[in-house]
Formats: sequence, structure tokens, C-alpha cells
Amino acid sequence: DTAVSQTPKYLVTQMGNDKSIKCEQNLGHDTMYWYKQDSKKFLKIMFSYNNKELIINETVPNRFSPKSPDKAHLNLHINSLELGDSAVYFCASSQGTNTDTQYFGPGTRLTVL
Amino acid sequence: TQLLEQSPQFLSIQEGENLTVYCNSSSVFSSLQWYRQEPGEGPVLLVTVVTGGEVKKLKRLTFQFGDARKDSSLHITAAQPGDTGLYLCAGPYNFNKFYFGSGTKLNVKP
Repeated sequence: DTAVSQTPKYLVTQMGNDKSIKCEQNLGHDTMYWYKQDSKKFLKIMFSYNNKELIINETVPNRFSPKSPDKAHLNLHINSLELGDSAVYFCASSQGTNTDTQYFGPGTRLTVL
Repeated sequence: TQLLEQSPQFLSIQEGENLTVYCNSSSVFSSLQWYRQEPGEGPVLLVTVVTGGEVKKLKRLTFQFGDARKDSSLHITAAQPGDTGLYLCAGPYNFNKFYFGSGTKLNVKP
């Protein structure tokens, strides 16, 4: 069973489009995260949700909107995609706060043309 | 500048060699974690160090947390090709924020 799953694995789209990435965890964790990993492999937190409530919102353009319909899901919607949005986006989850072990999904490679 | 600086950035060695990867910060961390990420996958936790001066061993991997809790190191003995990957240190900083280091890309040649 996959603990943290993301769809799609690859996403290629044109500038200006709107796209969504879905994430689901079956670990029963309370906290979920979205990270962005750039071409230099630097992993930076974007958002964190605890029990469906937003607890971290880093300096991310408001074109990025996370949505947590329930504790097991955290989706990421991106409006008006830009070239600089190209990266690998990782979803992760942990039992409690961010000092707990984080379990990462396989990543979604987004390419904006 | 990154909150957590790792060195070296890249490391290419022969199978059987030893290596050490460093993770440094000017800030104090309550704990630090080490992750390994393989191509096309997400990072996987290797270890968490909590106490200053703590040493943890995981088979051929030895992790150390600095006495002042500002730095950590990962030592691999007799590296194998299966150790190839991106090694990331990470830790909580400020309330509820989790930062990752700049990463060390290790390639172990057979």
C-alpha cells in the first residue's frame, strides 16, 4: 500500500493555464505539507495543514491555493502558471508537528512551457 | 544564504571509500533529521538526532549532532553503490516551520 500518493507524476502545460495536483495519505496522519524542489534540489516548504486547518503559509504567490477536503487529502491548485513554477512538488505527511517523521510522496514534476 | 548549509555539494567516490557530509547552521536546532532521496522519489528519513553530542549508528552510517546543536555530520563507512543519492539534513525552526539543507549529492562508483 502506498503511504503518500500524488497525481499526476508528470505534468506538462502551457504558461497561463490552471492546474491541480492531488495528494492522499493513508497513514492516518494529522499534518500534511506541500514542498517545492527546484532544479538545484533545494526543498522548500510551501504550506502545512493540521487537521484540515492551514498552519504554515510561506511566502508563496497567491496563485497557489491549497485545499484540504479532509485530513487524508491536501490538493494544490495553481492558477496562471508561469515558467518559474517548473519544479518538482512533493506532498508529505506527519503524525503531529513538523518535528515528527515526515513521509513524502513520489513527487509531481511540473514543466511549464 | 541557507539556514542549513551542507558540504560538500557533490561527492563522487569509489566503492569501499569512507566519506563525511556536514550540515551547519548559525542557529540552534531542537533536533535535526537526515533524509536520503533517490532519483524520481521523495526523501526518506534516515535518522533524527535530538540531544547535543548525540551519536547514532545505522549499519555503516554514523550520525552526530554537535554539542551546541548547530551542526550535524553523517559519516558513511565503506560506501556502496546503493548509498548513491541526495542526502538532506532538515530541522524545525520557528514555530511549525521545517527547513531543509542545501543537499549533498553522493555518487558511489562500483
